[in-house]
Amino acid sequence: AIQLTQSPSSLSASIGDRVTITCRASQAISGALAWYQQKPGKAPRLLIFDASNLERGVPSRFSGSGSGTDFTLTISGLQPEDFATYYCQQFIGLTFGPGTTVDV
Amino acid sequence: EVQLVESGGGLVQPGGSLRLSCSASGFTFSSFSMNWVRQSPGKGLEWVSYIDTSGNTVYYADSVEGRFTISRDNAKNSLYLQMNSLRAEDTAVYYCARDSVVVDGFDLWGQGTLVTVSS
Repeated sequence: AIQLTQSPSSLSASIGDRVTITCRASQAISGALAWYQQKPGKAPRLLIFDASNLERGVPSRFSGSGSGTDFTLTISGLQPEDFATYYCQQFIGLTFGPGTTVDV
Repeated sequence: EVQLVESGGGLVQPGGSLRLSCSASGFTFSSFSMNWVRQSPGKGLEWVSYIDTSGNTVYYADSVEGRFTISRDNAKNSLYLQMNSLRAEDTAVYYCARDSVVVDGFDLWGQGTLVTVSS
C-alpha cells in the first residue's frame, strides 16, 4: 500500500507568512493527490485537486505543486482563518497523510 | 442546498453492530462515487470505504475489511455503512464524502456522526 508522509507535523507561523507543507508518497502517484484543510470540530474542506488545481471558492493564496512522489502545499500570506490542520490524500489507494497543524 | 447528512452514530458495546446512513440532497446522487472516512478522537483522517455509482465496485481499508459493508440506494439518495464486530479502535467520527466525478478529490463532506465503542 502507498504510504504518505507529511512534514513538518506542526509549525508555528504569523499572519502574512509564507507557509510550505510537504507530502511525500512511498511510490510514484503521478499527480493523483489532493490537499484538505480541517478546522477543529469541522469536516475537511478540499483545497487542491490533481496536485496543483485550486478548488472553486478557495482563495488564490493557496497553491499546490509536485508530481511523482513529492508534493507541496503553499500558503502565500497566511491569514487568521488559515490556522488549521492540513492533510494530503493520494488517489491510487485513497489513503491520507498524517496531517500538518499550522498554529500561531 | 447541496449537502450530505450522516446519521446513526451512537454508543455500542465491543462486538456489537451499527448502521450508519448518509442522506444526499441538492445534487444527482447516482452520478457520484461515495466514500466513508473516519477520524478517531485527536487523530488524523482515515479512509474507510469506497463505492462506485452503481454499487457494483467497493473497496475497504484493511482495518475494516470483512467487518464493514458499504452500500447505497440511489432511489433514496442514500449511502450506508454496516459495521459489525465493532472494536474500541473503531471509535471515531464517521464522515461520508463525495468523490468528484472528473478530478482527484473529495469535494463534498457531511458533518460527521460519532461512533463510540465501549462497554
